[in-house]
Amino acid sequence: SQTIHQWPATLVQPVGSPLSLECTVEGTSNPNLYWYRQAAGRGLQLLFYSVGIGQISSEVPQNLSASRPQDRQFILSSKKLLLSDSGFYLCAWSGYRGEKLFFGSGTQLSVL
Amino acid sequence: TQLLEQSPQFLSIQEGENLTVYCNSSSVFSSLQWYRQEPGEGPVLLVTVVTGGEVKKLKRLTFQFGDARKDSSLHITAAQTGDTGLYLCAGGLGANNLFFGTGTRLTVIP
Repeated sequence: SQTIHQWPATLVQPVGSPLSLECTVEGTSNPNLYWYRQAAGRGLQLLFYSVGIGQISSEVPQNLSASRPQDRQFILSSKKLLLSDSGFYLCAWSGYRGEKLFFGSGTQLSVL
Repeated sequence: TQLLEQSPQFLSIQEGENLTVYCNSSSVFSSLQWYRQEPGEGPVLLVTVVTGGEVKKLKRLTFQFGDARKDSSLHITAAQTGDTGLYLCAGGLGANNLFFGTGTRLTVIP
């Protein structure tokens, strides 16, 4: 069966510090991978998605970037965090059609 | 631009009561999904509907896709405390094009 791992679960970072969140998927090949951000108790905003190694599509201009160095690894990064980057970050995977998403357990990021 | 609006935003009911949550849009979707999310966790897919007018039942949960594929509803019969969570609808506009609704936070009081 497929599983998705996302870490860390919580993270507190000072403004201006770098960020690296990692997500890996097991049990499937060539998944579509996604990074979402969720405001407290609200809907999800798509940040990036990837249909293959090295292929990244950005949905929202921002202080963040994403990379996919391996087939089942997706990384969310920032060189300098802003206060507005605080939020709940979710990684997800899907099949090639991208119509059913399976989410990781999320990372609660607090930028202070 | 918010494509999917959910109502109500918050709902608090007694255990055993029935409830309906709505998901509305002016856009036509190829599919409509419902997810439930618990605090500190990722959303979990409950159901996918793809045909206008389609009704799917999952135990005490009934999901309906509008005839015009622009809206959907989730009805819960005899709510239980385990139903507490954030309910999110998501409309599909094709491959890798899924838009999430604003969410309904449901609290079931014992």
